[in-house]
Amino acid sequence: AQKVTQAQTEISVVEKEDVTLDCVYETRDTTYYLFWYKQPPSGELVFLIRRNSFDEQNEISGRYSWNFQKSTSSFNFTITASQVVDSAVYFCALSGRRGAQKLVFGQGTRLTINP
Amino acid sequence: DAGVTQSPTHLIKTRGQQVTLRCSPISGHKSVSWYQQVLGQGPQFIFQYYEKEERGRGNFPDRFSARQFPNYSSELNVNALLLGDSALYLCASTEQGALRLYEQYFGPGTRLTVT
Repeated sequence: AQKVTQAQTEISVVEKEDVTLDCVYETRDTTYYLFWYKQPPSGELVFLIRRNSFDEQNEISGRYSWNFQKSTSSFNFTITASQVVDSAVYFCALSGRRGAQKLVFGQGTRLTINP
Repeated sequence: DAGVTQSPTHLIKTRGQQVTLRCSPISGHKSVSWYQQVLGQGPQFIFQYYEKEERGRGNFPDRFSARQFPNYSSELNVNALLLGDSALYLCASTEQGALRLYEQYFGPGTRLTVT
């Protein structure tokens, strides 16, 4: 069975601080995909990144960066110099190669950036 | 281009009633998936449809059913509503078919309240 764990339920930081959201996953598939989604108060899930299991290179996109470590089954997300607009619930998700497009989501981390 | 659209935005139903939720995918997207998100939790996969055929089903009772139309829009039906069916129902569309894993683009969701 596939499982995604986001141990941090809520995080609150002051604007401009760096913050890391943790994600640990479990899967028996050798080929799988990892995702991060952002859910603002409006409710719509916004796609942030997809990573496949064969690509362990870290990725940076502006203030966002992702650290994929297969050895520890983790796919952590860091926001540098956080801004109030980053406040949202963030979900890590996993999909197996044979699972069609079934995403398994973690419980989410509610991130609050205080001015 | 328009994103994924869902209707209605909000819905209030009584226990035992039936409900139909609608989803229109992004133009050119042939695959549609449905997710249920109970308050405070991550989305849970319900169904995936591609080319009008069911390609995946989550762990939901038979009261839940769906279909996809020739224009790739989709409906999710829930019969004999229970209080526990109260949730945000999200629809997602994907450019490729069931065997390819591309980013899923989510709609704003339908908030269903069962009283």
